[in-house]
Amino acid sequence: AQRVTQPEKLLSVFKGAPVELKCNYSYSGSPELFWYVQYSRQRLQLLLRHISRESIKGFTADLNKGETSFHLKKPFAQEEDSAMYYCALKNFYNQGGKLIFGQGTELSVKP
Amino acid sequence: DVKVTQSSRYLVKRTGEKVFLECVQDMDHENMFWYRQDPGLGLRLIYFSYDVKMKEKGDIPEGYSVSREKKERFSLILESASTNQTSMYLCASSLEGRINQPQHFGDGTRLSIL
Repeated sequence: AQRVTQPEKLLSVFKGAPVELKCNYSYSGSPELFWYVQYSRQRLQLLLRHISRESIKGFTADLNKGETSFHLKKPFAQEEDSAMYYCALKNFYNQGGKLIFGQGTELSVKP
Repeated sequence: DVKVTQSSRYLVKRTGEKVFLECVQDMDHENMFWYRQDPGLGLRLIYFSYDVKMKEKGDIPEGYSVSREKKERFSLILESASTNQTSMYLCASSLEGRINQPQHFGDGTRLSIL
């Protein structure tokens, strides 16, 4: 069965500290992976996708097929990074673009 | 910029009522989705649609139905609302394509069933 696991409900760091939000997935095929973010009182929005290999707002995420992980990292956290983060998996062959979301991790960056 | 509009930000209904949540997107997307978002449970897919008049059950369809009569509009219906359906409901849309098409979300409807 396809599954996405985010083991931490809440991650609290100080401003300037490195941050890593963990995401592990269960899927035997070729997955597409995404990170979505929801800032307070804003809509859920795409942060980045693994296939683009991009850095958005200083965040990066590398797909590790051996460890079936897609952890989100940032070397120096900022207070404005405080938000809810969701990892999501899409089956490459899935008609309809259906995503499977993890439970979410709330990131709190303290001054 | 993709715009996904949900008809209400907040809604309060009574147990047993029939409730309609409406969602409209303006980018001619083939796919549309309804999720509910609950603390600690993440986003759970209720129903999705990949074409007009087509619908597929998601992970938690019980107690819900959907309607997609036009490409831009996807309605979620609570046939007989119950208190355990109190939640944040999110609508999303995406373009059909093999590679890497993200979903675009609305602002959400916070529904309370009394």
